[in-house]
Amino acid sequence: EPEVTQTPSHQVTQMGQEVILRCVPISNHLYFYWYRQILGQKVEFLVSFYNNEISEKSEIFDDQFSVERPDGSNFTLKIRSTKLEDSAMYFCASRASTGKRQPQHFGDGTRLSIL
Amino acid sequence: SQKIEQNSEALNIQEGKTATLTCNYTNYSPAYLQWYRQDPGRGPVFLLLIRENEKEKRKERLKVTFDTTLKQSLFHITASQPADSATYLCALDGLTGGGNKLTFGTGTQLKVEL
Repeated sequence: EPEVTQTPSHQVTQMGQEVILRCVPISNHLYFYWYRQILGQKVEFLVSFYNNEISEKSEIFDDQFSVERPDGSNFTLKIRSTKLEDSAMYFCASRASTGKRQPQHFGDGTRLSIL
Repeated sequence: SQKIEQNSEALNIQEGKTATLTCNYTNYSPAYLQWYRQDPGRGPVFLLLIRENEKEKRKERLKVTFDTTLKQSLFHITASQPADSATYLCALDGLTGGGNKLTFGTGTQLKVEL
């Protein structure tokens, strides 16, 4: 069964540095998402992306965050200047688009640790 | 503000019994409600989706109900097995903003014992 893949599985970065998290969504999917989960807390929506533009973003997704789909297969999340509170699991998800509601399919995440 | 509540305490049941998990929400009118399973260190895995005009949905040993009057969904696992032990997440999809974001509850940890 096709799946969403994320790399790296674990990223350790110094505070203030830029980080790029990468995702390869399922190939025929059209909607793409980033969520994060701080340890012991719930999964939180960050941003959704469709037709090469952001369709919705949360208040967490401030000017330090950006997303891109550079080549039609990868979907990336960039954090420009990381803070300690950015430490979390980051999940990418994708969804097909048909006339019938489809669920989101999640990758296994990137654990981001900010030192 | 919108609020989604799931039993924060872990649920321990014996193998073979039916596990029932609850999801309550307030200040929200979801068009769809979804249940996901999450194992430690892994991403959520989709289990079932139910629409606001559906009362009940089944898939193998799983059953979901959705009561928009009570603002509640119940998730049942019948004939539970130790392999069902995981955290189960309720997620609401209100068709807002065009992006169809999911709003998750905190999850309920289920442990099925021999």
